[in-house]
Amino acid sequence: EGQLVESGGGLVQPGGSLRLSCTASGLTVKTYYMQWVRQVPGKGLVWVSHINGPGSTTRYADSVKGRFTISRDNAKNTLFLQMNSLEVEDTGVYYCVREVDDFDVWGQGTMVTVSS
Amino acid sequence: QAGLTQPPSVSRDLRQTATLTCTGNSDNVGNQGAAWLQQHQGHPPKLLSYRTNKRPSGVSERVSASRSGNTASLTITGLQPEDEADYYCSAWDSSLSAWVFGGGTKLTVL
Repeated sequence: EGQLVESGGGLVQPGGSLRLSCTASGLTVKTYYMQWVRQVPGKGLVWVSHINGPGSTTRYADSVKGRFTISRDNAKNTLFLQMNSLEVEDTGVYYCVREVDDFDVWGQGTMVTVSS
Repeated sequence: QAGLTQPPSVSRDLRQTATLTCTGNSDNVGNQGAAWLQQHQGHPPKLLSYRTNKRPSGVSERVSASRSGNTASLTITGLQPEDEADYYCSAWDSSLSAWVFGGGTKLTVL
């Protein structure tokens, strides 16, 4: 069965940067929108960004515009999220999601903690 | 970005029916329909319904979804202990060009 596996999370100071990756295996993703969704443990889901299959269309939540960049490498079945100028409020589990039938496949998530 | 409105908690007895609601506006739920997700603690969300009332393969027939105006609903019949979870709605907002989520409803099966 296909899956999405995120990596790249960790502890970073405010103002720092991290790059998240999401690799698909046994799953077709290159023709579909892919997205990132954040969740503070114990709290609700927050949409962060998505990108279309060719990578030519990207959209972002207002809270991350100008700081985060979503991209993809379809040859490697990999989605990325470059996060710069990180803020404490960016803390949470970041899920990679395939946007077929709205949200059909979710990864297990990678934890990002922004703290001094 | 404005979110969708869900009641924080709902409690129902075992084998009864629960209906969860999600209220948005004409730019999101009223226009695009809603998706519903179930999340058990410590696990990623799971898609239960999409495009207002479509059920993915593998999701129980006890689950159904609908929409009336700007409010989407998720109904679960014959409640079982495993239905106890957090439920989130989401919709594409054509005005914001962004996905919006509800705050989630914690369903307790008594």
